[in-house]
Amino acid sequence: SQKIEQNSEALNIQEGKTATLTCNYTNYSPAYLQWYRQDPGRGPVFLLLIRENEKEKRKERLKVTFDTTLKQSLFHITASQPADSATYLCAPGSSNTGKLIFGQGTTLQVKP
Amino acid sequence: GAVVSQHPSRVICKSGTSVKIECRSLDFQATTMFWYRQFPKQSLMLMATSNEGSKATYEQGVEKDKFLINHASLTLSTLTVTSAHPEDSSFYICSAPQSGHNSPLHFGNGTRLTVT
Repeated sequence: SQKIEQNSEALNIQEGKTATLTCNYTNYSPAYLQWYRQDPGRGPVFLLLIRENEKEKRKERLKVTFDTTLKQSLFHITASQPADSATYLCAPGSSNTGKLIFGQGTTLQVKP
Repeated sequence: GAVVSQHPSRVICKSGTSVKIECRSLDFQATTMFWYRQFPKQSLMLMATSNEGSKATYEQGVEKDKFLINHASLTLSTLTVTSAHPEDSSFYICSAPQSGHNSPLHFGNGTRLTVT
């Protein structure tokens, strides 16, 4: 069955450092992959989408990579700030159905 | 920007009663909406795809007679939890594609359902 794995342990880093979050998937060939941010008690907010023919995508301090051979996506936040503290969800998507299946998320804590 | 409004944000109901949750796309039309549920410290689990003007498509293991979905217009989908039980207590979140099939999703802010 399709499986999406994100680091379940919280990631704690110091302000100003780069945070790197990992998303691995198995039994799956997504046409694209999306990353979302979720704050406690709120709905997720879309951050970035990367397609299978793209290796890297950037938006301000965010960078996403997509390696279809390794079946992995990495999500980087450079110059991290305490306001970046949240849970980050990856979601590989199927172009056939449009449905998104989410990983369990990684909680990032940026300490001042 | 595009916004999805979900109501109510919190609801407490007694076991055996039904609860309706509304999801509206405020400044865009959504022929498809997705309903998720999320238990504490777990990921979002897709329950069903709501299709405007036709029947919803439910994920495996989700009881369609318990979770009634109606998508009567291009801006409104409703989820009714019928005969609620304590195990139905969860965080329910709706979403709609920003600009059609395969586009990123706008999420509502969720409904915290507590069944006593």
